[in-house]
Amino acid sequence: GDSVTQMEGPVTLSEEAFLTINCTYTATGYPSLFWYVQYPGEGLQLLLKATKADDKGSNKGFEATYRKETTSFHLEKGSVQVSDSAVYFCALSHGGSQGNLIFGKGTKLSVKP
Amino acid sequence: GAGVSQSPSNKVTEKGKDVELRCDPISGHTALYWYRQSLGQGLEFLIYFQGNSAPDKSGLPSDRFSAERTGGSVSTLTIQRTQQEDSAVYLCASSPRLTSTSSLPDTQYFGPGTRLTVL
Repeated sequence: GDSVTQMEGPVTLSEEAFLTINCTYTATGYPSLFWYVQYPGEGLQLLLKATKADDKGSNKGFEATYRKETTSFHLEKGSVQVSDSAVYFCALSHGGSQGNLIFGKGTKLSVKP
Repeated sequence: GAGVSQSPSNKVTEKGKDVELRCDPISGHTALYWYRQSLGQGLEFLIYFQGNSAPDKSGLPSDRFSAERTGGSVSTLTIQRTQQEDSAVYLCASSPRLTSTSSLPDTQYFGPGTRLTVL
């Protein structure tokens, strides 16, 4: 079945460091890909998404590009802030009759001042 | 506007008891999803509603789990004869999803979750 694999955490960075969180997927067809973020004490919220190959999703300085050839959707940010500390989840979904999300296990990011 | 709400926020119960978890989706959203977040399993899909019907119950872990949705709005997830392995955070999400055959998945909006602890 479909699955998502993302790098294990926790990841600890200093403020203004470059961030990469790797995500690869296994899926039939052409799923849409998502990054969700869970800030401490808050619910999951969508960070960015991409619906087809070579699409780039971006939001709040974060970017991820849908790479069909490598089945990847790595999350990047050029300069992280303390406020980016959170758990990041990579996910995929097909349209049609289902539409449920299949999540990776999450990567906890801590940014130190 | 109001987001997805869930109640209770925390529930502690004894093994063997039944529990009901409630989800109020965003007004007008036709699709509703239940997920479970646990340390060992990460985020797992449980069940999906389109309107009042549940075309996909594949994620329910056992027949102790059931869910219903009435009036195309509020949903309840019921766990009968709770076990310690049911301890987790139960998340609800909703999306506009006007038809069940939309070619692209909608953005799902998540509630804050219900933390269930089974002693």
